[in-house]
Amino acid sequence: QSVLTQPPSVSGAPGQTITISCTGSSSNIGAGYDVHWYQHLPGTAPKLLIYDNNNRPSGVPDRFSASKSGTSASLVITGLQAEDAADYYCQSYDSSLTDSGVFGTGTKVTVL
Amino acid sequence: EVQLVESGGGLVKPGGSLRLSCAASGFTFSSYRMNWVRQAPGKGLEWVSSISTSSNYIYYAEPVKGRFTISRDNAKNSLYLQMNSLRPEDTAVYHCARVVPGEPPALDSWGQGTLVTVSS
Repeated sequence: QSVLTQPPSVSGAPGQTITISCTGSSSNIGAGYDVHWYQHLPGTAPKLLIYDNNNRPSGVPDRFSASKSGTSASLVITGLQAEDAADYYCQSYDSSLTDSGVFGTGTKVTVL
Repeated sequence: EVQLVESGGGLVKPGGSLRLSCAASGFTFSSYRMNWVRQAPGKGLEWVSSISTSSNYIYYAEPVKGRFTISRDNAKNSLYLQMNSLRPEDTAVYHCARVVPGEPPALDSWGQGTLVTVSS
């Protein structure tokens, strides 16, 4: 089980705003490590959505935004679209774990 | 355009071996650290292994230590994962990913993955 906890699922109607949380602790997010977010449609290549807490790679729509505070981080999707239906994962370091960081438990987004 | 294409997956019996490959193109492969990440059926993403640009620094997740070996051939723009003593719990789609610096490093390009099934 990951040290970064996400809600298993979040849903919303097209056009709505949804938030995905990533809850950690003082040994990971709370220690000041950055958080990245990935979008993954099973069967395809995962995609880096947000890096270093709140930066979007080129090509990522600005309806995706993220923030970090204390021991948690959040991904916000504004103006939800059908194509946003996917799994979303946060990633950060944990001082007790691996070299390349740890992924969150993952959240399945359903567009109603 | 950055491209990562995995191959080598398949069905193998417990205790067997498999070698995965990842062919990279569209970027200077030798300048990037690379990772393997897997996703078991119905589960989330799990980091497996990491290799530095010159293969000087190599790391493994605890579940695969001593059984998996990561390597790369910069002349061939290729990344490999030798998997020995395979177990049913190694069944997963294995993705290779390019690493960019950060704390933690971010994985900015991924392949679609290759499926490894360990079953008798």
